[in-house]
Amino acid sequence: SQTIHQWPATLVQPVGSPLSLECTVEGTSNPNLYWYRQAAGRGLQLLFYSVGIGQISSEVPQNLSASRPQDRQFILSSKKLLLSDSGFYLCAWSAPSSGANVLTFGAGSRLTVL
Amino acid sequence: GESVGLHLPTLSVQEGDNSIINCAYSNSASDYFIWYKQESGKGPQFIIDIRSNMDKRQGQRVTVLLNKTVKHLSLQIAATQPGDSAVYFCAERRFNNAGNMLTFGGGTRLMVKP
Repeated sequence: SQTIHQWPATLVQPVGSPLSLECTVEGTSNPNLYWYRQAAGRGLQLLFYSVGIGQISSEVPQNLSASRPQDRQFILSSKKLLLSDSGFYLCAWSAPSSGANVLTFGAGSRLTVL
Repeated sequence: GESVGLHLPTLSVQEGDNSIINCAYSNSASDYFIWYKQESGKGPQFIIDIRSNMDKRQGQRVTVLLNKTVKHLSLQIAATQPGDSAVYFCAERRFNNAGNMLTFGGGTRLMVKP
């Protein structure tokens, strides 16, 4: 069966510090991968998606970046965090054959920037 | 900006009653509409989807209705149970040059009273 792992689950970072969130998927090959952000009490905002190794598309301009160094690994990074980067970050994957209707989300990473 | 939104941010229902969660959309080009459920502290989970050429689709205790004339989508939950308490998101699927993407609405919190 397929599983998705996301870490760390919680982190508190000072403004201006770097960020690295990791996500890995097991049990599938060539998944579509996504990073979403959810602000407190709000909906889900798509940040990045990837359909293959090294292929990253960004939905919104921001000081975050994403990388996909391996088929089932997706990393969200920042060189200098802003207060507005606080939120709940969710990694998700979908099988290309599913048409992206069925996203399987990780448990999320809650980031607080102080 | 978001093209998918919700009428009510919070819905409170009595256990055993039916729940109706509504969603409005603006993108007529979307070919699928999907409902997700997010329990506290977890990532969203797929519930049910409906293709844009359908008006109704039923699942286990859930029914999704699509009214393309007024661009309205609803999720009906029969015999609501305490375990149904969660935030519900509607999403629409759109196609871009990287494949199919989901755009999520702001979410409705369903609270089930015992």
